[in-house]
Amino acid sequence: DSGVTQTPKHLITATGQRVTLRCSPRSGDLSVYWYQQSLDQGLQFLIQYYNGEERAKGNILERFSAQQFPDLHSELNLSSLELGDSALYFCASSVVDGEGGELFFGEGSRLTVL
Amino acid sequence: QQQVKQSPQSLIVQKGGIPIINCAYENTAFDYFPWYQQFPGKGPALLIAIRPDVSEKKEGRFTISFNKSAKQFSLHIMDSQPGDSATYFCAASWNYRGSTLGRLYFGRGTQLTVWP
Repeated sequence: DSGVTQTPKHLITATGQRVTLRCSPRSGDLSVYWYQQSLDQGLQFLIQYYNGEERAKGNILERFSAQQFPDLHSELNLSSLELGDSALYFCASSVVDGEGGELFFGEGSRLTVL
Repeated sequence: QQQVKQSPQSLIVQKGGIPIINCAYENTAFDYFPWYQQFPGKGPALLIAIRPDVSEKKEGRFTISFNKSAKQFSLHIMDSQPGDSATYFCAASWNYRGSTLGRLYFGRGTQLTVWP
């Protein structure tokens, strides 16, 4: 158990809809990262938040947005969903600074868009 | 554009064999090279990592070999066991706004099967 909690584990929705994925990082970790895993693209970095502020942005579509709340949990919002958005969405957390640090991944939220 | 290229896509070995997974990169700004292991239904978990100032790092049965001039690194699993059957991802990152570790560029993964 990595200590990172993601909900929901599975989600099935229709094209055009909007969903919210939630992540609770490990206790004490200030950084939260979102990754998308798909057969087409593999594991792709989407976005990082550190202590409530956006820190780095990757291949995140404009239809997607994220935020980190004062209690450090994070949400990834996916809107106007398309079939191609079907994927596993992972949240990871870490202590930002420090030698030998690592990313701790949750078990993912599997999104299926029909 | 895949920043980290990983091969092979899949690998089957007998128990006790030494599977080797290779990765190559182009961006010389990368300064951190981790390997992650993923079991079905789970998220990736850090296995071992190396920085470019060393050429080899061992942790238990897992060894990373790093060739800076060739911009290649590889994972060797000694005395492989059926429990090592998983997908392995190499990755790389560079210092970005003071944080080396967060924005990882992953290879496409290698599905390893170890037969008993």
